[in-house]
Amino acid sequence: DIQMTQSPSSLSASVGDRVTIACRASQRINRNLHWYQQKPGKPPKLLIYTASNLENGVPSRFSGSGSGTDFSLTISSLQPEDFATYYCQQSYIGPPYTFGQGTKVEIK
Amino acid sequence: EVQLLESGGALVQPGGSLRLDCAASGFAFSGSAMNWIRQAPGMAPEWVSSISPSGATTYYVDSVRGRFTISRDNSNNTLYLQMNGLTAEDTAIYYCAPRTVTGGPFDYWGQGTRVAVSS
Repeated sequence: DIQMTQSPSSLSASVGDRVTIACRASQRINRNLHWYQQKPGKPPKLLIYTASNLENGVPSRFSGSGSGTDFSLTISSLQPEDFATYYCQQSYIGPPYTFGQGTKVEIK
Repeated sequence: EVQLLESGGALVQPGGSLRLDCAASGFAFSGSAMNWIRQAPGMAPEWVSSISPSGATTYYVDSVRGRFTISRDNSNNTLYLQMNGLTAEDTAIYYCAPRTVTGGPFDYWGQGTRVAVSS
């Protein structure tokens, strides 16, 4: 199975900060990497698919990049509604379709 | 508007059984692979099971294979998960989610249904 490792596991940031979350796959997954945002008590919500494609309705301050084994999610200017947990997920090899362990973005 | 409404979650004793339902609308259900994904408290989501659009092909995570059965009714746009031999490790919120594109993401998620396994 492909293992997905996110870093950091958590971070503290201020409104307006630029934030980058990394996701590494244990083997090459082309660009079949997706990012989800989850707020407490809610289901995950798709943000970015296939490494860099913004889901409809997602603000342009979110962006994704990478291919192969190394990927990143960037929030260019953190907003109050962006404080949440972010997960990466691969769909290149599977099942199983594996998720990263998550990165919790907290208010500094 | 896409709607996914999971139901059937409950508190059940170890060794017990449950059937989860997911009523879907607003997208091409019969043309989409469907999935069950679970999330234990404080943990990342975990893919559990998938079923092809026709229902002919199914997949399971190793920890549930032989205990869980996924199925679907395309005439009623409903997905099912029959869960037998439940253990404490199955305690989680269970979500249904389509993959409308092969190799793509889990496009939409329902609100989930809570399964708790405890004596």
